Amino acid sequence: AQKVTQAQTEISVVEKEDVTLDCVYETRDTTYYLFWYKQPPSGELVFLIRRNSFDEQNEISGRYSWNFQKSTSSFNFTITASQVVDSAVYFCALSEAVQGAQKLVFGQGTRLTINP
Amino acid sequence: NAGVTQTPKFQVLKTGQSMTLQCAQDMNHEYMSWYRQDPGMGLRLIHYSVGAGITDQGEVPNGYNVSRSTTEDFPLRLLSAAPSQTSVYFCASSSSAVYNSPLHFGNGTRLTVT
Repeated sequence: AQKVTQAQTEISVVEKEDVTLDCVYETRDTTYYLFWYKQPPSGELVFLIRRNSFDEQNEISGRYSWNFQKSTSSFNFTITASQVVDSAVYFCALSEAVQGAQKLVFGQGTRLTINP
Repeated sequence: NAGVTQTPKFQVLKTGQSMTLQCAQDMNHEYMSWYRQDPGMGLRLIHYSVGAGITDQGEVPNGYNVSRSTTEDFPLRLLSAAPSQTSVYFCASSSSAVYNSPLHFGNGTRLTVT
């Protein structure tokens, strides 16, 4: 069965610190996608990134970077030089090809607070 | 660009009442879905649709009905509300039903059942 675990329920750091959000997943499928979504205090969910199971290259977008390691079934998200606007709940999610249509399985979410 | 629009934003129901949560998208997306968000549990899939006239169950479908008569609309019906259905509900759409398509979410409906 597919499962996504975000063990860090809440993280609080001071602005400009680097912070890493952990995501560990379980799947029997060899073909899948991993996603990160951001939920700011306003409540909507915003897509950040997706990564397919055959692409283990790290991704960097500005202050954001993602590290995908199939060997440890992890897809971690790092924010460098954090800012107050990064405060949000972040969700990691998994979608398997074997399911056919998209059926995202979400982790529990990590609430990130950046203090000025 | 309205994107995905959900109404109402807030709703309070008494146990046993019925209601419909509305969801509309203006992006001509073929795939639509409903999730519920509960503390400590992330988001869980209730129902989804890969096109007009086609719906299927997700992980937690009990107590909910859906229909998809048009591409744009995907309402979620609670037939007899229960306190366990107190949650935040999100409607989402995607240009494709393929498993790798990012979802576009609405702003959510916060439902309280007393």
